[in-house]
Amino acid sequence: NAGVTQTPKFQVLKTGQSMTLQCAQDMNHNSMYWYRQDPGMGLRLIYYSASEGTTDKGEVPNGYNVSRLNKREFSLRLESAAPSQTSVYFCATQRTRAETQYFGPGTRLLVL
Amino acid sequence: KQEVTQIPAALSVPEGENLVLNCSFTDSAIYNLQWFRQDPGKGLTSLLLIQSSQREQTSGRLNASLDKSSGRSTLYIAASQPGDSATYLCAVTNNNDMRFGAGTRLTVKP
Repeated sequence: NAGVTQTPKFQVLKTGQSMTLQCAQDMNHNSMYWYRQDPGMGLRLIYYSASEGTTDKGEVPNGYNVSRLNKREFSLRLESAAPSQTSVYFCATQRTRAETQYFGPGTRLLVL
Repeated sequence: KQEVTQIPAALSVPEGENLVLNCSFTDSAIYNLQWFRQDPGKGLTSLLLIQSSQREQTSGRLNASLDKSSGRSTLYIAASQPGDSATYLCAVTNNNDMRFGAGTRLTVKP
């Protein structure tokens, strides 16, 4: 039972390159989330998926796209990376809104 | 727009002290409030979750309170230990949106 896994753990990109961050969960949770964490700013929601086949924008969606491939997997894509997207990205899952969210270990992204 | 503030940003205490971390929020129409712990380079671990109808939750040496009317929550840590050193984040849920504070970085000195 791995919980929430994220790949890669660390990535360096050049400005303009694209990449996809992967998140997978084995907790059978309906909802999945992508956050970014920047120094001194806490976590900010990028996109979320309340159930398989649905996605919605969060607080900071610009420059990102997501895909809820199936119940287990939720990916985050940067089509043309910018230095402002340098951050730590966390995926989280949740069974119901009344319960806690479970977080993955994070992906550290550096855009040069 | 919900705004969540945590004070202080950093706190250093000697081992054994009782301490209080503060969280304030601007919109009192919350669904629940959570306290998380984050160790350096790691993800978040949930410590306590308080539903909007509750006033407090306890887990071991941790006690979290919620006062919706004043937009405040406190996390009380009793008899602090060096292993409690971490960043503590408060998060408030409104509808489908969870907003985080910037966290309080706690250092407990042996």
